[in-house]
Amino acid sequence: GQQVMQIPQYQHVQEGEDFTTYCNSSTTLSNIQWYKQRPGGHPVFLIQLVKSGEVKKQKRLTFQFGEAKKNSSLHITATQTTDVGTYFCAGRRNTDKLIFGTGTRLQVFP
Amino acid sequence: NAGVTQTPKFRVLKTGQSMTLLCAQDMNHEYMYWYRQDPGMGLRLIHYSVGEGTTAKGEVPDGYNVSRLKKQNFLLGLESAAPSQTSVYFCASSYANNEQFFGPGTRLTVL
Repeated sequence: GQQVMQIPQYQHVQEGEDFTTYCNSSTTLSNIQWYKQRPGGHPVFLIQLVKSGEVKKQKRLTFQFGEAKKNSSLHITATQTTDVGTYFCAGRRNTDKLIFGTGTRLQVFP
Repeated sequence: NAGVTQTPKFRVLKTGQSMTLLCAQDMNHEYMYWYRQDPGMGLRLIHYSVGEGTTAKGEVPDGYNVSRLKKQNFLLGLESAAPSQTSVYFCASSYANNEQFFGPGTRLTVL
């Protein structure tokens, strides 16, 4: 079945450093979504990528969808303590169900 | 608008007991989902529904049943709880296959 893997599992950074999490699928995806979950909270939608090679930015966050539509990345520039949380990618193949990655937990030290 | 609400927030069960988790959404979404979240496992889909009166199995449906009698509600039932069902349960809803809106979660412990 379809699998979505994320690396790294954990990342600790100093405030101001950059952060990147990578998402890889075993199959070609029709689209990919990214969610953020604060500690003790629930997942909150960040963005959806649909096109091959697509790049989208939200302030300090940059999202990319690979050319082959099998991988994606989320890059945060100059992290802040408010970026703390777990970031999940979630991929969909055709009209199938969304499959969530295992998540990357980000800790930011002031 | 309340968005997606879940009740209860916390529950402790003994092995073999039954319970129902209630999810309600006020966004008129057709699609609703139940996920469980365990450490290191991400979110795994239990069951989902694409409309009132319809349900379908997700990745980990065993030991759970669901019902969608009303468009705004999606119920998750555990007929005979097991310690392996200790988890945090999230309900979500969406308009078709667009972004999913999650509820605050239910933390369930089965002793």
